[in-house]
Amino acid sequence: AQKVTQAQTEISVVEKEDVTLDCVYETRDTTYYLFWYKQPPSGELVFLIRRNSFDEQNEISGRYSWNFQKSTSSFNFTITASQVVDSAVYFCALSEAVNYGQNFVFGPGTRLSVLP
Amino acid sequence: DTGVSQDPRHKITKRGQNVTFRCDPISEHNRLYWYRQTLGQGPEFLTYFQNEAQLEKSRLLSDRFSAERPKGSFSTLEIQRTEQGDSAMYLCASSPPGSGSRELFFGEGSRLTVL
Repeated sequence: AQKVTQAQTEISVVEKEDVTLDCVYETRDTTYYLFWYKQPPSGELVFLIRRNSFDEQNEISGRYSWNFQKSTSSFNFTITASQVVDSAVYFCALSEAVNYGQNFVFGPGTRLSVLP
Repeated sequence: DTGVSQDPRHKITKRGQNVTFRCDPISEHNRLYWYRQTLGQGPEFLTYFQNEAQLEKSRLLSDRFSAERPKGSFSTLEIQRTEQGDSAMYLCASSPPGSGSRELFFGEGSRLTVL
């Protein structure tokens, strides 16, 4: 069965600092998808990125970047020059190739607080 | 707004009462999911529909829970004889058709408090 671990329960940084959120996953499938979601205080989960297991190229989107390493089963998320609006709970998720419900699993989340 | 819509946003009920939540997915999305989220936890899968067919149910879903998606559009989640342990945020998500695992688009959730 697949599993997602986010070892950092809570992180606090001061505005403009860089911060990396860790995600480690377990799966027996060779084809799978990884996701990051943001849950701000308002509560709605917002999709940030989707990555398939065959694409290990790192991705950058503005202040956000993602580092996917199959060798360590990790899919880490870095926010550069953090802002107060980045304060939220961030979830890493894993879905195996077959898009059935049980196979879309979320980690426990990391609460990020960005202090002014 | 063409996002996923959930109703009601908040529900307070007494133990033993029945409650029903409604979800309207994004119109072209054929896949619909229900998740439950408790404080400090990630979303936990409850059930999944592809069009009108309920293809999967979690073991978390006891006999008191039932979900429907009668015409492959909106869905309802009913909880009968609510218990205090049912207090949680109930999240609905939809995803578009296509191969591979597609991202889920979530609604704002329906928060249930059972007194």
